[in-house]
Amino acid sequence: QVQLVESGGGVVQPGRSLRLSCAASGFTFSSHGMHWVRQAPGKGLEWVAVIWYDGSNKYYGDSVKGRFTISRDNSKNTLFLQMNSLRVEDTAVYYCARWGNDKRLDSWGPGTRVTVSS
Amino acid sequence: DIVLTQTPLSSPVTLGQPASISCRSGQSLVHTDGNIYLSWLQQRPGQPPRLLIYKVSNRFSGVPDRFSGSGAGTDFTLKISRVEAEDVGVYYCMQTTQFPHTFGQGTKLEIK
Repeated sequence: QVQLVESGGGVVQPGRSLRLSCAASGFTFSSHGMHWVRQAPGKGLEWVAVIWYDGSNKYYGDSVKGRFTISRDNSKNTLFLQMNSLRVEDTAVYYCARWGNDKRLDSWGPGTRVTVSS
Repeated sequence: DIVLTQTPLSSPVTLGQPASISCRSGQSLVHTDGNIYLSWLQQRPGQPPRLLIYKVSNRFSGVPDRFSGSGAGTDFTLKISRVEAEDVGVYYCMQTTQFPHTFGQGTKLEIK
């Protein structure tokens, strides 16, 4: 079955960088677009970024544009999120999600926690 | 950006009774292909989100048939015909018609 597992979270100081990974299994990774979605403590869901199945297109949420970069390695079935110039307000659990048919986000990982604090 | 407004934000419900959540969009969610890409997700306490409904009214695989979605234009509704204890959590509508994708604020379903 579809499995997504995020990693790379942790505690980081403001202004520093962090790289998240999402390991995919149980489906043909190279056939699906992928998303990152985040959730600040006690808050709702916020869409972060999407990448096409072949990496040809990427879109970002306004709050991360210019600081975060989504990428993928289809040979390793892995999705990435490079986060630069981190801010306190980037503190959240970050989820990766599969982009399925009919533009639905149909499978989600358990999430990885990022804390930005001095 | 498309703003999605959910009501109510909190919904205390008696077990076995129905529940309804509304999601109103600030603009049309009709894609250039003619479809409306409005989904509903459930997030149980301590869990990641889970897809329930996609494209307004399609139940995702494994979702109990007590969950149903409806709507058109800019007004959409998630209904639970008979609430069970396992339905406790937060429910989000989400649009994937246009980038950036956006979510409603979430509706917390709790048992009375």
